Amino acid sequence: ETGVTQSPTHLIKTRGQQVTLRCSSQSGHNTVSWYQQALGQGPQFIFQYYREEENGRGNFPPRFSGLQFPNYSSELNVNALELDDSALYLCASSSRDRGRGYTFGSGTRLTVV
Amino acid sequence: GESVGLHLPTLSVQEGDNSIINCAYSNSASDYFIWYKQESGKGPQFIIDIRSNMDKRQGQRVTVLLNKTVKHLSLQIAATQPGDSAVYFCAERMASSGTASKLTFGTGTRLQVTL
Repeated sequence: ETGVTQSPTHLIKTRGQQVTLRCSSQSGHNTVSWYQQALGQGPQFIFQYYREEENGRGNFPPRFSGLQFPNYSSELNVNALELDDSALYLCASSSRDRGRGYTFGSGTRLTVV
Repeated sequence: GESVGLHLPTLSVQEGDNSIINCAYSNSASDYFIWYKQESGKGPQFIIDIRSNMDKRQGQRVTVLLNKTVKHLSLQIAATQPGDSAVYFCAERMASSGTASKLTFGTGTRLQVTL
């Protein structure tokens, strides 16, 4: 079975720009969650998608948005980038039916300058 | 809000010794716990998980213990190897009722294996 794939691996953007990060979920998984991991900290939950709809959100502003597609892949969009948005963005897929097992991708390292 | 915390930010052990990484959680409604290993530049890698209706679970060289009375989770690694050097996170999941089952992570413990 394939794992979770994220692209791109690294990205440099200028403050105020917009960015789109992509994630392909693990085979058999129907739920995708996005996390932000600042340097030296644990991942923080951004939001989760199930059946192509946002299914819960962490403490992140509306300029963080996402999509889930029929094949369960997902995108994370961030508008009006700020310097503090610099972080590792992780995607995790899971199967809501099984209720366990969250597989993470290797992440996208975003640097905002 | 509720969060998962770790007692020790850095743990240094000799190769071959056993390692114990501890974690305190504060949400009594959490029903599922996971230990992850994260190497530099990589995403968290699943090590072992445990449901709240269990108090011990064993894998290959790893054991997770859950003490719900004091809200404490630990990861034991037997015969620690240099390849075990990484940052370890515990994560908890609150029981969901149709809404997002998010994981709440602590800040991590760095395990350093010395030769």
